[in-house]
Amino acid sequence: GENVEQHPSTLSVQEGDSAVIKCTYSDSASNYFPWYKQELGKRPQLIIDIRSNVGEKKDQRIAVTLNKTAKHFSLHITETQPEDSAVYFCAASRRTDKLIFGTGTRLQVFP
Amino acid sequence: GAVVSQHPSRVICKSGTSVKIECRSLDFQATTMFWYRQFPKKSLMLMATSNEGSKATYEQGVEKDKFLINHASLTLSTLTVTSAHPEDSSFYICSVQTGGRNTEAFFGQGTRLTVV
Repeated sequence: GENVEQHPSTLSVQEGDSAVIKCTYSDSASNYFPWYKQELGKRPQLIIDIRSNVGEKKDQRIAVTLNKTAKHFSLHITETQPEDSAVYFCAASRRTDKLIFGTGTRLQVFP
Repeated sequence: GAVVSQHPSRVICKSGTSVKIECRSLDFQATTMFWYRQFPKKSLMLMATSNEGSKATYEQGVEKDKFLINHASLTLSTLTVTSAHPEDSSFYICSVQTGGRNTEAFFGQGTRLTVV
């Protein structure tokens, strides 16, 4: 079945440093790749997404890259701040089909 | 985007009782909704796809008689946890995905179920 792997499971960085989270997916037909930030007890919040016709997308301090040949995509957060601390999930799907989530990365940004 | 409202946000029930969780799409007609389960410090695991007017599609390993899903209208899907046991305690969350070229998923607030 479809599978999404995510690494690392935990990531600790100093405020101002960059953070990178990587995901690989198994379904070659996947064409939608969102990233979510989830705080404890809350719903996931979409922070950025990328579609299969684009290789890179950037929104201020956040960027996502996609390599369809290798079936992996990455989240890059620059100039990290303590409020970036949360659990981040990647996901993959075929357009309006179900989202398959990665295992999550707990990011801690130390002041 | 779509606004998704889930109710209740928290529920405590006794073992053996049933609990119903509602997921409403307030401004989007959703022919399909998705139900996820999340254990503490774990990822969201898809339980089932709720289809308006027809039977839900359950993921492998999810007991359909245990987790009853009803999607009677384009704005409401319900998940009923039947004969709940402590191991059913979890965070349940629903989502709606808007279609078209720019699909995006919108989540309900989630329901924290505790079975005692």
